[in-house]
Amino acid sequence: DIQMTQSPSSLSASVGDRVTITCRASQSVSTYVNWYQQKPGKAPKVLIYTTSSLQSGVPSRFSGSGSGTDFTLTISSLQPEDFATYYCQQTFNTPRTFGQGTRLEIK
Amino acid sequence: QVQLVESGGGVVQPGRSLTLSCAASGFSFSTYGMHWVRQAPGKGLEWLAVISYDGSHRYYTDSVKGRFTISRDNSNNTLYLQVNSLRAEDTAVYYCGKDQNHYDSTGPLDYWGQGTLLTVSS
Repeated sequence: DIQMTQSPSSLSASVGDRVTITCRASQSVSTYVNWYQQKPGKAPKVLIYTTSSLQSGVPSRFSGSGSGTDFTLTISSLQPEDFATYYCQQTFNTPRTFGQGTRLEIK
Repeated sequence: QVQLVESGGGVVQPGRSLTLSCAASGFSFSTYGMHWVRQAPGKGLEWLAVISYDGSHRYYTDSVKGRFTISRDNSNNTLYLQVNSLRAEDTAVYYCGKDQNHYDSTGPLDYWGQGTLLTVSS
């Protein structure tokens, strides 16, 4: 199985900060990486798919990059509604594994 | 609009079985792959299984292979997850999700249900 390792596991930041979350795959997944945002008590929501494509309706402050084994999610200027938990997922192979999550908290 | 509504969760004793359902509406159900994902209390997301648009292909994560079965009824727009030999560690919120890609299950999950809580306890 492909393991997806996110870093950091948690992060404190302020409104307006630029934030980067990293996801590393245990083997190459080409560009088959997606990013999700989850708020407490809610289902996840897809933000970015196939590494860098912005899902419809998602603000442009979210962006993704990478290829092979190393991927990043960047939020260019944090907004109050962005404080949540973020997950990467690979869809290169089954099982379609998720990272362990990164909890983004208000500083 | 796309809607996914899970049902069938509850409190179940260890070793018992249960079937979770996911009623889909607002899209052409028979042309999309569908997934099950779970989340144990306070934990991260765990992908469980996917079924192709026509039900011909099914894949599982190792931890549930042989105990869980994913299936679908395209005539009734419903996805199922049969869960057998339940263990305490199967306690979680179970989500169904729609694959974004037509006829291909390699996309992200672009729509999710609200989840159904399954608690395994004696």
